[in-house]
Amino acid sequence: QSVLTQPPSVSAAPGQKVTISCSGSSSNIGNNEICWYQQLPGTAPKLLIYENNKRPSGIPDRFSGSKSGTSATLGITGLQTGDEADYYCGTWDSSLSAGVFGTGTKVTVL
Amino acid sequence: QVQLVQSGSELRKPGASVKVSCKASGYTFTAHSMNWVRQAPGQGLEWMGWINMHTGNPTYAQGFTGRFVFSLDTSVTTAYLQINSLKAEDSAVYYCARDDQVVRFNYWGQGTLVTVSS
Repeated sequence: QSVLTQPPSVSAAPGQKVTISCSGSSSNIGNNEICWYQQLPGTAPKLLIYENNKRPSGIPDRFSGSKSGTSATLGITGLQTGDEADYYCGTWDSSLSAGVFGTGTKVTVL
Repeated sequence: QVQLVQSGSELRKPGASVKVSCKASGYTFTAHSMNWVRQAPGQGLEWMGWINMHTGNPTYAQGFTGRFVFSLDTSVTTAYLQINSLKAEDSAVYYCARDDQVVRFNYWGQGTLVTVSS
């Protein structure tokens, strides 16, 4: 059972926008920086966002991250069929002294 | 370029052991901690823990103590995950992931599928 909660799925038409929430607590999101990962089917996860809202080189600006209090949000604009994947938030939990991932959200492009 | 290349799929019987390797290249091996992440079939990501590349000291997450062993061989820039006394519920894909900062994994191995079945 993950300490970070995400919606199981979100969907939208090509070109539209989706947002994925990640809800935690003061011991994780509230006091630590968050990352977001994209996992395409059958592949390893890929870092999309780090330090709440920064993108590694090569990640398009269609992907954005934000954090407020004990929640974080990943936004994807201009949705493409290639964005169909599972998305995970991740951070450190200071109470558990452990890394934690969210429950994961499947993005479907209609 | 940075690469993490893991060993191939493994099939083991319950009670046996397995050792998964993660060969690193393209960077200074000891400059970044190595983490291990488990993904059971159809499930999410689970952080298993990490190993200090300078001391070789491992840290295990809850649920991964006792049967799981992280180790290193710096002479061949390889990290290892050994699982002892395998159970059916250990069947999963295991990933190594290089740590840029805490839980910030910019580089991942391709994953190793471990199947435990009699």
